[in-house]
Amino acid sequence: NAGVTQTPKFQVLKTGQSMTLQCAQDMNHEYMSWYRQDPGMGLRLIHYSVGAGITDQGEVPNGYNVSRSTTEDFPLRLLSAAPSQTSVYFCASRTGGQETQYFGPGTRLLVL
Amino acid sequence: GEDVEQSLFLSVREGDSSVINCTYTDSSSTYLYWYKQEPGAGLQLLTYIFSNMDMKQDQRLTVLLNKKDKHLSLRIADTQTGDSAIYFCAESIRGGGNKLTFGTGTQLKVEL
Repeated sequence: NAGVTQTPKFQVLKTGQSMTLQCAQDMNHEYMSWYRQDPGMGLRLIHYSVGAGITDQGEVPNGYNVSRSTTEDFPLRLLSAAPSQTSVYFCASRTGGQETQYFGPGTRLLVL
Repeated sequence: GEDVEQSLFLSVREGDSSVINCTYTDSSSTYLYWYKQEPGAGLQLLTYIFSNMDMKQDQRLTVLLNKKDKHLSLRIADTQTGDSAIYFCAESIRGGGNKLTFGTGTQLKVEL
């Protein structure tokens, strides 16, 4: 198993550009989440999904969209990037019967 | 409301014990977690404790939970240089699905 994979590893955007951060897992996990990590603030939940076709907002959803058309994939879309979205983004997944949440390696995003 | 707090920095000598502390505010927490993050990497689950337990031991790791004071600690025995990392505590809430609320993280530095 590859676990949780994220692409790209690093991205530079200009203000107003759009992009999609990819996240995939091959463990057949029902739950998937997106977090952002900022210095001194820990990780904050952006959006999460409890299964294909079901998504919900987390703590900081503004400026981000998600969809979950398959169990494996959970892309995060930035429609119009802003400098405040400069951060490290982590995707995570887990199965419903266990507490272990598996994190991807992260995507570093810089918005100029 | 949900708020998880940690001290920012801890320095110990190799071979000593490290104790990393965390306080949380939500009394409906069900599970409390400790994650480790090494530089440039994602988060790795170290251990977790169910909210009706007082203590959990796993090799060099001991987790203590004081529900009355909403205080969680992680003790690392015989701390090694490989333990240098950022440690995050996190809580999940009954019925919260995949939502985790993270602390700000404690940077542990192990000196020779």
